Amino acid sequence: GAVVSQHPSRVICKSGTSVKIECRSLDFQATTMFWYRQFPKQSLMLMATSNEGSKATYEQGVEKDKFLINHASLTLSTLTVTSAHPEDSSFYICSGQGDDTEAFFGQGTRLTVV
Amino acid sequence: QKEVEQDPGPLSVPEGAIVSLNCTYSNSAFQYFMWYRQYSRKGPELLMYTYSSGNKEDGRFTAQVDKSSKYISLFIRDSQPSDSATYLCAMSWYSSASKIIFGSGTRLSIRP
Repeated sequence: GAVVSQHPSRVICKSGTSVKIECRSLDFQATTMFWYRQFPKQSLMLMATSNEGSKATYEQGVEKDKFLINHASLTLSTLTVTSAHPEDSSFYICSGQGDDTEAFFGQGTRLTVV
Repeated sequence: QKEVEQDPGPLSVPEGAIVSLNCTYSNSAFQYFMWYRQYSRKGPELLMYTYSSGNKEDGRFTAQVDKSSKYISLFIRDSQPSDSATYLCAMSWYSSASKIIFGSGTRLSIRP
């Protein structure tokens, strides 16, 4: 099946710094990318939806200036957590979907802000 | 009320047992129903994908959708220890580029 590669799998950063997470579709063109956040023992909560070449659509309550999403090509989307704080510590998961495909999920990034 | 309700478990059954996982939902506009399996600290992987009402079988897994009751189920036959994971139901309005709403997930443990 199709593969979505997400990096890094784990990152620890200091409070106040920014962290970039990459999501690549390896063998299909992801016209739409979804970014989720998952807290321990909770479900995936959609943060934003992005289409290649256009601005992301953020879910209610998600700060677009804090979580910067770039979807510059059909195979790459990035999520940058700016000025990270301990409450941003979570498991971030991307998902890529083509025009006629199901959504394929990355392996997730465990972010810890200390 | 959450759009998708799922019992978080944990659910523990002996190897070989039949497992039944369920979700209810409130939005009758959902058309596509999925079950994902998620191992600890990994991204979810799609197990079953069903459109509208009915049953779908794939090996040891059977998915059922009852739109009239807004109720979906996943059955696992001959359960194996390797089936131990969190199972997330999910649903969406359209097949492509559509926002997916997830249940909270049920933690399943299969005892050898």
